[in-house]
Amino acid sequence: QSALTQPASVSGSPGQSITISCTGTSSDVGGYNYVSWYQQHPGKAPKLMIYDVSNRPSGVSNRFSGSKSGNTASLTISGLQSEDDADYYCCSYTSSPTPSYVFGTGTKVTVL
Amino acid sequence: EVQLVESGGGLVQPGGSLRLSCAGSGFTFSTFWMHWVRQGPGKGLEWVADIRQDGSASFYAASVKGRFIISRDNAKNSLYLQMNSLRAEDTAVYYCARDDYGSGSSGFWGQGTLVTVSS
Repeated sequence: QSALTQPASVSGSPGQSITISCTGTSSDVGGYNYVSWYQQHPGKAPKLMIYDVSNRPSGVSNRFSGSKSGNTASLTISGLQSEDDADYYCCSYTSSPTPSYVFGTGTKVTVL
Repeated sequence: EVQLVESGGGLVQPGGSLRLSCAGSGFTFSTFWMHWVRQGPGKGLEWVADIRQDGSASFYAASVKGRFIISRDNAKNSLYLQMNSLRAEDTAVYYCARDDYGSGSSGFWGQGTLVTVSS
């Protein structure tokens, strides 16, 4: 199972909005509404930001939103803040070759 | 307070074995799917395996299938990962994570334990 494809890096100025894409196939992203997004700061465990494509866990800022179209999921961060500077990973359920999960390649978000 | 604490990491030679443990507290351990996820040095996250609440089903990444075994003991609120035939590419920080929504989305993670495979 190959990793989902994410851009290596995305940057933006404070207050701006950015979008991170996560491209898979019909066997993963496109076939199920089981896409999640994680934020990871250096040396820390990942933090869940979005689950089931577009749902925010309690306590996560509403500046974070998720969506999906076809085989591509997206994470949008609006009103960019310095603390958003981190790595972001998408993750999807996949049915091929066996029921499992696959992460994206990861995106480094830099707040300029 | 929900806590997941991994242990058992260390240095092991190629071909060797290691057993990781993850102790859960602050929640009803037996009601959640649990996952192991790893991250190689300077690399991205890689899903390793997961196990159903009662331990009756488990699934593995292709990269570890046949070498790793995930298990749990709900009476001890513990998750395990038996790692055999270890390779250099298994070197990573191993995290246990709780599946909060039944869809692979983990809201709680341990701090991770480092496994180094080297001679």
